[in-house]
Amino acid sequence: DAKTTQPPSMDCAEGRAANLPCNHSTISGNEYVYWYRQIHSQGPQYIIHGLKNNETNEMASLIITEDRKSSTLILPHATLRDTAVYYCIVRVEGAGSYQLTFGKGTKLSVIP
Amino acid sequence: DAGVIQSPRHEVTEMGQEVTLRCKPISGHNSLFWYRQTMMRGLELLIYFNNNVPIDDSGMPEDRFSAKMPNASFSTLKIQPSEPRDSAVYFCASSPPAGGPDTQYFGPGTRLTVL
Repeated sequence: DAKTTQPPSMDCAEGRAANLPCNHSTISGNEYVYWYRQIHSQGPQYIIHGLKNNETNEMASLIITEDRKSSTLILPHATLRDTAVYYCIVRVEGAGSYQLTFGKGTKLSVIP
Repeated sequence: DAGVIQSPRHEVTEMGQEVTLRCKPISGHNSLFWYRQTMMRGLELLIYFNNNVPIDDSGMPEDRFSAKMPNASFSTLKIQPSEPRDSAVYFCASSPPAGGPDTQYFGPGTRLTVL
């Protein structure tokens, strides 16, 4: 699986959009970009994933650059409950692929 | 719909004792994972089951660790004998059969402290 690079920490004002970047310059054509988060003392939680098109769900939006070498997770209106460590993971989807390799992630602090 | 259930939530034991962690995956899911999380090493995959069969146990630290999945709704991770360096949070996760979203759903974890 391709390696990812994320900033170690970020701050965001409550109510503003949180934009979390991820670099994955060695991503291959069949690898998806996944985002998980881990709120303190809880298990990791799936947020969103995509291949090359931008994706949106009830939690967040995922913007993937045209060359797929980087992506941005957007939390449109951050709340205090969004304070967590956010992990960007790239992996092949489908049978035979199950490994989720968690890096150090980005610690997002939402400030009142 | 209940998520992944783990028990106990907290376990404190003494070095040398046997420890058994339990997991009930989400109903209908056919893949189960055990992870360990420490400050030093982050989240590590220990073992992966598919349809109750262990597929990859390369992450199991050593022979002191063993995992079983006797049926689709239950799995155990056993440490015997336990050591202080086993202190960590142990997570169980499950995922649905192929064809749906390829996501893993994590339980709340078991915080293990070995004195």
